[in-house]
Amino acid sequence: AQSVTQLDSQVPVFEEAPVELRCNYSSSVSVYLFWYVQYPNQGLQLLLKYLSGSTLVKGINGFEAEFNKSQTSFHLRKPSVHISDTAEYFCAVSERRGGGSEKLVFGKGTKLTVNP
Amino acid sequence: SQTIHQWPATLVQPVGSPLSLECTVEGTSNPNLYWYRQAAGRGLQLLFYSVGIGQISSEVPQNLSASRPQDRQFILSSKKLLLSDSGFYLCAWSSERTTGNTIYFGEGSWLTVV
Repeated sequence: AQSVTQLDSQVPVFEEAPVELRCNYSSSVSVYLFWYVQYPNQGLQLLLKYLSGSTLVKGINGFEAEFNKSQTSFHLRKPSVHISDTAEYFCAVSERRGGGSEKLVFGKGTKLTVNP
Repeated sequence: SQTIHQWPATLVQPVGSPLSLECTVEGTSNPNLYWYRQAAGRGLQLLFYSVGIGQISSEVPQNLSASRPQDRQFILSSKKLLLSDSGFYLCAWSSERTTGNTIYFGEGSWLTVV
């Protein structure tokens, strides 16, 4: 079974500082990888995804992530954060299910707090 | 474009009362549909998924059930709520026509059982 580990439950940073949110996964097969963002009291919004090809994936709001197969990692980065980036971030790996449905296995989330 | 609607947004229910959360998807046909629950500090847990009308798979044994009476409608129900059913419930959809079968979420429903 696939699993996802988000190494930090909370990450406080100052505005305009760089940030990296770490994600490691375990899988015996090829995977699709995702990052979702959840603002307070809202649903999850897709930030970016890795399906194939270039290992560096760019997403919305200036975020990017790099797929590292040898380290089984998919860390999320942003060179300069804003107050509005304060949210919870979820890493997820896709697992193919019978019948074609995809089951997303989520990490427990990382709460990013950007301070002025 | 595709949209997903989920209601009610918030719900406060007494223990032992029934529950019905509804979700509809627009702009696509034959989607895969999902119900997730998010409890504080526990991440997201997949409760049910459906690949077609009347086809429901349950991920964990629990006090809840799901139904799909129409192609783009997914309902989460309970006959008698427990305190432990409190949480944030998220409906989601995906399509086999989307590469990687990306899952898209609704805005969620807050359920507080008192």
